[in-house]
Order: sequence, then structure tokens, then C-alpha cells
Amino acid sequence: SAVISQKPSRDICQRGTSLTIQCQVDSQVTMMFWYRQQPGQSLTLIATANQGSEATYESGFVIDKFPISRPNLTFSTLTVSNMSPEDSSIYLCSVLTGGLGQFFGPGTRLTVL
Amino acid sequence: QQQVKQSPQSLIVQKGGISIINCAYENTAFDYFPWYQQFPGKGPALLIAIRPDVSEKKEGRFTISFNKSAKQFSLHIMDSQPGDSATYFCAASTGSGNTPLVFGKGTRLSVIA
Repeated sequence: SAVISQKPSRDICQRGTSLTIQCQVDSQVTMMFWYRQQPGQSLTLIATANQGSEATYESGFVIDKFPISRPNLTFSTLTVSNMSPEDSSIYLCSVLTGGLGQFFGPGTRLTVL
Repeated sequence: QQQVKQSPQSLIVQKGGISIINCAYENTAFDYFPWYQQFPGKGPALLIAIRPDVSEKKEGRFTISFNKSAKQFSLHIMDSQPGDSATYFCAASTGSGNTPLVFGKGTRLSVIA
């Protein structure tokens, strides 16, 4: 399985600011995803991070609010823009490894005051 | 519309007992069904997964049972231990697992001594 790291592991931010979350994988992967997990809830897909092209967003998520970059096959960032308390969640990146399944990073716990 | 329905929401099992968590789906295009285990403050960890060409898969104390006609699958944890106390998520995807996952709402398992 792939080893996935995320930075920061947690942060407390003020309303109206933005936070960029980094996801680094120890091997090249074709597909990377970003999920959100609100407190005590299940995981919801935000978008698929496409290498070299714009991310593919799920219904309810827009690029202006959650811009995503994927400059290469091992790295991606998710920015949470103009934050409000409703954005307080755990943000998780995940990767698909060929035939072995989908693996998740440790998550970034975001609190917006 | 919830694509994967998971039950129960919470479960308390005696040490040494069998924990059973159930999931049902509607989308017949789903062809990959993993289970994830999540401890507090951690990302979900892939536990075991099954494809619809088999009815059961066992890995150690963990077994997935799959009923294609009923569109249901379940996780059985044999000889449950306090260390198994965690939240368990079922999920499903298409494309033999090469597409984003749709998650159930999760089951919080507590194994008591």
C-alpha cells in the first residue's frame, strides 16, 4: 500500500481566511481524491484531483471554494477558501493503487472560529 | 439519496463475541465493496474488500459475506476484542474499484470486556 502524508495535521483558523492542505504520496499514483468528513459523520467526496488538468468536482463543491492542484503524480493540494465555521471538518486525501485498493492519508483536522 | 445504507449505527459486543455490520446498495453497477476501520484521530484504513464474483471472503477474524441478488453485504468480526473498538464504514464503487468510493454512514463498534 502507499504511504500518504498530509500537512498540516490540524489547524485552527479564523473566519474568512484560507488554508492549503498538502498531500504527499511515496509512490506515483494515477488517481488522487479529496474527501471531507464532518464531525461524527461519514466521508463525502469533494473532488478527483487530475494530474495536469482541472479537478473534477462533485455536486455541492465548487472550484472557487475548494481549489485543487495536482502538479505531479505524487502530490496534491486542497485549499479551503473564505472559511466559515461550517467548514470545520476532517479533510482526507486518498489514492488508488493499482489493484490494491484505495488508501487514505491521516487527515487534516480543521477548526474554523 | 443514500446509495449505500449501513446498519446498525452503533453496536456493543462482548469480548469474544461476533460483531455483524450490514450494508445494502441500490446501484447494480457497483462491483467493488470494501470495508474500512477508523480509529479516532486517524484516517480510514482498508480492512477487507470483496468483488461480486464471490460470496464470501475471509481474512483472519474478518469475513465479508456478499449477497448479489439481495444487493447486500456484511462484515463479520469473529472473536471480537476491545482493540476492535472503532468506527467501521462500508463502501462501494464501480469500475472494479477504480472510481471514487461511496460510503455508508458508519457503525461505531464498542467491544466490552
